[in-house]
Amino acid sequence: QQQVKQSPQSLIVQKGGISIINCAYENTAFDYFPWYQQFPGKGPALLIAIRPDVSEKKEGRFTISFNKSAKQFSLHIMDSQPGDSATYFCAARFPGNTPLVFGKGTRLSVIA
Amino acid sequence: ETGVTQSPTHLIKTRGQQVTLRCSSQSGHNTVSWYQQALGQGPQFIFQYYREEENGRGNFPPRFSGLQFPNYSSELNVNALELDDSALYLCASSPGGAVADTQYFGPGTRLTVL
Repeated sequence: QQQVKQSPQSLIVQKGGISIINCAYENTAFDYFPWYQQFPGKGPALLIAIRPDVSEKKEGRFTISFNKSAKQFSLHIMDSQPGDSATYFCAARFPGNTPLVFGKGTRLSVIA
Repeated sequence: ETGVTQSPTHLIKTRGQQVTLRCSSQSGHNTVSWYQQALGQGPQFIFQYYREEENGRGNFPPRFSGLQFPNYSSELNVNALELDDSALYLCASSPGGAVADTQYFGPGTRLTVL
């Protein structure tokens, strides 16, 4: 049973456009939802994270929108750039010092 | 501040062999988690160590084992390697305790089993 479902699997966006990646989770006990960015041959790097008591969080060009009732959250990348081309993972975590549960990833390509 | 480091970068083994992967956690972090990332997939949790004790384990067989040392560095050992063990192995460290949210990943070790 996949606890965190991510879509789409791949995404192509024009430079300057908005990239949107969606995730849905099963367990309402999750209380922390990060997004990671991974370049080929590198480990995942934390991009932005949110807790369920907040509906939106913005850091620079990256925004997380969180819908607690729908058990969904999404990553929006504004003014997408070729340097944003990478694989993006959503994740969820139970309270405390617990491991991350990852989605399967979205491969983003930003074309000029 | 030194980030999470892993060694070796790449490793090639044959089926049935044993392998040890190493991880140095970020300064001040007492929790290390190991993940397996198969090609085209998200990382899957293997186990976590907190202050030298195993603090949770994912759905991996006992031939996956680990250690955490007093300086909070860690090892992942895999015995009786199988072809399906070929993957990127990621180590992540976090502060643990009350500030347990953010996990910082190392660059990974790419293991190929032939």
